[in-house]
Amino acid sequence: LAKTTQPISMDSYEGQEVNITCSHNNIATNDYITWYQQFPSQGPRFIIQGYKTKVTNEVASLFIPADRKSSTLSLPRVSLSDTAVYYCLVGDSGYALNFGKGTSLLVTP
Amino acid sequence: NAGVTQTPKFQVLKTGQSMTLQCAQDMNHNSMYWYRQDPGMGLRLIYYSASEGTTDKGEVPNGYNVSRLNKREFSLRLESAAPSQTSVYFCASSEGTSPPNTEAFFGQGTRLTVV
Repeated sequence: LAKTTQPISMDSYEGQEVNITCSHNNIATNDYITWYQQFPSQGPRFIIQGYKTKVTNEVASLFIPADRKSSTLSLPRVSLSDTAVYYCLVGDSGYALNFGKGTSLLVTP
Repeated sequence: NAGVTQTPKFQVLKTGQSMTLQCAQDMNHNSMYWYRQDPGMGLRLIYYSASEGTTDKGEVPNGYNVSRLNKREFSLRLESAAPSQTSVYFCASSEGTSPPNTEAFFGQGTRLTVV
């Protein structure tokens, strides 16, 4: 399983764009990159998944460079409700869901 | 839509007692998982079931047993609870084990305290 490294915590003000980078130097050819969001006292929620280049949905964008050794989750114009823990996962099978400690994002007014 | 339902939501056990955490999903998913989350920590995989009839150990299986009762239900049993098993337990399910069908849906969690 590819190991991931992401910042422990990040702070942002409302309205700013937030970029959370995840390093996965040992990513395998078949591995996908998936991001989850977890609010306090809730289970994680799927945000976005990608294999290469850029993926965008209504919540976020995921940027993956050509070498795929890192990925960046981009949250446009964050609000207070985006305060949560964000997990980067790398794997090629459903049961490779190893979450690690994630990045705790705090959004303040 | 119910999604993933866990029971109970809260439980207090005495050391040495046993209990079973129940999990059911109504999305016809093949794969189910049990995680534990300790304060300030990420989620650690206890056991998973890639498909009905199969179960496998995850990162922290010691002290737990699981049963995939049918496609809908996946239970987690603590045979002799210990204070170190105080945690929040999450059950999850996903459609499949190969991307892109690996989006996992989580239950609301069971908060277990062992005294």
